[in-house]
Amino acid sequence: GQNIDQPTEMTATEGAIVQINCTYQTSGFNGLFWYQQHAGEAPTFLSYNVLDGLEEKGRFSSFLSRSKGYSYLLLKELQMKDSASYLCAVPSDDYKLSFGAGTTVTVRA
Amino acid sequence: EPEVTQTPSHQVTQMGQEVILRCVPISNHLYFYWYRQILGQKVEFLVSFYNNEISEKSEIFDDQFSVERPDGSNFTLKIRSTKLEDSAMYFCASSEGHPNTEAFFGQGTRLTVV
Repeated sequence: GQNIDQPTEMTATEGAIVQINCTYQTSGFNGLFWYQQHAGEAPTFLSYNVLDGLEEKGRFSSFLSRSKGYSYLLLKELQMKDSASYLCAVPSDDYKLSFGAGTTVTVRA
Repeated sequence: EPEVTQTPSHQVTQMGQEVILRCVPISNHLYFYWYRQILGQKVEFLVSFYNNEISEKSEIFDDQFSVERPDGSNFTLKIRSTKLEDSAMYFCASSEGHPNTEAFFGQGTRLTVV
């Protein structure tokens, strides 16, 4: 089975940087996804990591360490619209996703 | 940009009634999924569907639930004899099926059982 842990909530100021950590324990490994979910809306894809290291995509970056079972999502230059829940998810062999409980990020002016 | 569409966006039903939630996955995708999210809780996998049959289902997906792909475009989730605890947001998703490609989610159907 899959066990995925991430913090419940984080608060940061507009323009700041926030790092959301995720630790996972899986029976196999097929990469790790980060999704963003605004309240009442669908999850939307942010990033995918399968190799160790940092993947940068604009203001968002994601890091993976397979040996440590650890990933983080880095949000830079925070904007009010970044207030959302950020979901760490790992796929199984048939691509179904197991989600963490999500980290709610609140951006304050 | 292609998208997964779901109907209806909201559904209110009486306990014990049957509901059918509809989804149109992205046309060239091969894998289809239903997920559920009870208010304030995490997104939970229900079932995956590939090559016109269920490929995996979770413990939640008991005999009360069924899925169907009645034609080349629609993918439905049927819930028989709904219970109060079935109230949730139901998301349909589809993917190409390669490990490094993301699943695209529909906007969800909010089901309220009263």
